[in-house]
Amino acid sequence: SAVISQKPSRDICQRGTSLTIQCQVDSQVTMMFWYRQQPGQSLTLIATANQGSEATYESGFVIDKFPISRPNLTFSTLTVSNMSPEDSSIYLCSVATGGSSYNEQFFGPGTRLTVL
Amino acid sequence: SQQGEEDPQALSIQEGENATMNCSYKTSINNLQWYRQNSGRGLVHLILIRSNEREKHSGRLRVTLDTSKKSSSLLITASRAADTASYFCATGGYGNNRLAFGKGNQVVVIP
Repeated sequence: SAVISQKPSRDICQRGTSLTIQCQVDSQVTMMFWYRQQPGQSLTLIATANQGSEATYESGFVIDKFPISRPNLTFSTLTVSNMSPEDSSIYLCSVATGGSSYNEQFFGPGTRLTVL
Repeated sequence: SQQGEEDPQALSIQEGENATMNCSYKTSINNLQWYRQNSGRGLVHLILIRSNEREKHSGRLRVTLDTSKKSSSLLITASRAADTASYFCATGGYGNNRLAFGKGNQVVVIP
């Protein structure tokens, strides 16, 4: 399995500001993902972070709101832009390891974001 | 993408008892994975079962998959207080690693 770290672990932000979350993996991985978990809810996939190209966003998520960078195979960032209280969530990055189509997916510890 | 959906359960059991939770989904899947989450923290990967597998064990965990019924179950045997957590199933599709998560089950193990 991969060891994944995220920064910050939590933050409290003001409405209208932006926050960039970092995700670092201890080994090179092909697939990295960003998920959101709203309070008391399950996880929803935001986007697939592609190395060297633009991220692939899921329905309901757009690049202007959630810009993603993936400069190499061990690192990615997610920015939550122009935040509102509805963006208060846990944001988690994950990686899929292995070379088969049955890849286990491992998650970072998450970033707990509160928007006032 | 596939949608895993657990039966909406909040289990409260005594330590030493078994806990069973279920997950159903709607479309064909490549694999199904179970996760544990403690107190809103990161997810811990428990087990992956492939679409061509029917049962899998890992320690005190037993997962079954019935693709004809599009359902899976997670059994935790001899539960411990440390098993108190939310448990999620997530389905993976073919050709990608995107996961669709179910709603989750809250399990409370009383010492």
